[in-house]
Amino acid sequence: DAKTTQPTSMDCAEGRAANLPCNHSTISGNEYVYWYRQIHSQGPQYIIHGLKNNETNEMASLIITEDRKSSTLILPHATLRDTAVYYCIVRVKNAGNMLTFGGGTRLMVKP
Amino acid sequence: ETGVTQSPTHLIKTRGQQVTLRCSSQSGHNTVSWYQQALGQGPQFIFQYYREEENGRGNFPPRFSGLQFPNYSSELNVNALELDDSALYLCASSTGQGKVTEAFFGQGTRLTVV
Repeated sequence: DAKTTQPTSMDCAEGRAANLPCNHSTISGNEYVYWYRQIHSQGPQYIIHGLKNNETNEMASLIITEDRKSSTLILPHATLRDTAVYYCIVRVKNAGNMLTFGGGTRLMVKP
Repeated sequence: ETGVTQSPTHLIKTRGQQVTLRCSSQSGHNTVSWYQQALGQGPQFIFQYYREEENGRGNFPPRFSGLQFPNYSSELNVNALELDDSALYLCASSTGQGKVTEAFFGQGTRLTVV
């Protein structure tokens, strides 16, 4: 799986949009971008994934640049419960559950 | 709630002992994987089982072994425990190969080796 680079930590005010960047400059054409988050002492939670088009679901939006070398996860209205470590992962379609987690971004949502 | 359940939630073992951790995957999921997460780090992939056979392994020694049963539940066995094996062990399940799927994680088993 391609290596990803994320900022170690970020702060966001409650109610504002949280924009979490991820660089994956060595991504291959058959690799997808996945985002997971891990709230303290819980298992990772799937958020969203995409290949090259922007994606949106009830939790977040994923914006992937045209060259696919970076992406941004957007939480449109962050709440205190969004405080967590956010992991950006790139993986091939047939990887099953084989995920390579990096250090992630620790997002702190503040009142 | 992901439908993936792990037992026990916490466990304390002595160095040199053996331990078995259990995972019940979400209904309909035939692929199970195990991860080790040391304090302050991201989860590290141990191995994956698909239809009762191991089909992927991370950089872990042979004393880490596993099983998957016909109902797709799984066990992780660790022999000759070392202090560095103290970690949160996570199980994840999905609907399998050849699909763009998301993996659903359990809450983990916190293992402490003393």
